[in-house]
Amino acid sequence: GAGVSQSPRYKVAKRGQDVALRCDPISGHVSLFWYQQALGQGPEFLTYFQNEAQLDKSGLPSDRFFAERPEGSVSTLKIQRTQQEDSAVYLCASSRLAGTSTDTQYFGPGTRLTVL
Amino acid sequence: GESVGLHLPTLSVQEGDNSIINCAYSNSASDYFIWYKQESGKGPQFIIDIRSNMDKRQGQRVTVLLNKTVKHLSLQIAATQPGDSAVYFCAENIHNYGQNFVFGPGTRLSVLP
Repeated sequence: GAGVSQSPRYKVAKRGQDVALRCDPISGHVSLFWYQQALGQGPEFLTYFQNEAQLDKSGLPSDRFFAERPEGSVSTLKIQRTQQEDSAVYLCASSRLAGTSTDTQYFGPGTRLTVL
Repeated sequence: GESVGLHLPTLSVQEGDNSIINCAYSNSASDYFIWYKQESGKGPQFIIDIRSNMDKRQGQRVTVLLNKTVKHLSLQIAATQPGDSAVYFCAENIHNYGQNFVFGPGTRLSVLP
C-alpha cells in the first residue's frame, strides 16, 4: 500500500524566502510527526499532531516555523524568512494510533531544503 | 551528546559476519527504545524496539540489548548482508510522557563483499 509521501523532494530557497513543505500520511493514521535532520545527524523532533490538533510543538526552533493539519490528514510545515541554518532534510512520519509512542512511526522520504 | 556532524562513526564488516552497533542514550528516565535503519535518500525505517522492563529482544537476524545501569543500547545483526549497509539510529522515549523521541547521532554500517 501507499506509504508516507512528501513534496517537494528537493527545495532550494533564497535566504528570506518563505517555503511550504507538504506531507501526505498513510490514510487513516491519526498521529503525524515532523522532524528536522541536519546533514550527518539524527532526526530532531519538531512537532506532533493528533488528528488536526497540534499537541506538541516544543521542537519548533523559532516562531518562523509553523505547522498545520487542518483536516486531520495532509500536513504542511511552513518556514518563513528562511535562513541558511534551516538547510536540512525535513521528515514527516505517521502512526496509526493516538497518544501511544510505542506505535510504529512510518517515515516519508523527506524534503531536502537548501537555503542559499 | 557529542555532535558528530559530517563524520558519522563508521563500522565496516565483512559480508556474513555479525555486526554490533552501539548507542549511549541520554535520559535515565527513558523507558522505550527503537532502532531505525536509514538508507540514502530515504526516511528512517523501524527495525526493532525494546521496553525498559526487558534487557534483550530478538527479531529476525537482529537482537537489541539494553543495559539501563550504564544507559547503553546495542543492535546486533547476524550474518550481515550488503542490503544492511545504511545508517543506524537509536531513539529513546518516555512513553507515558509524550510522543517526543530523541535520536542518537547514528552509525554508518558498511558491508564489505
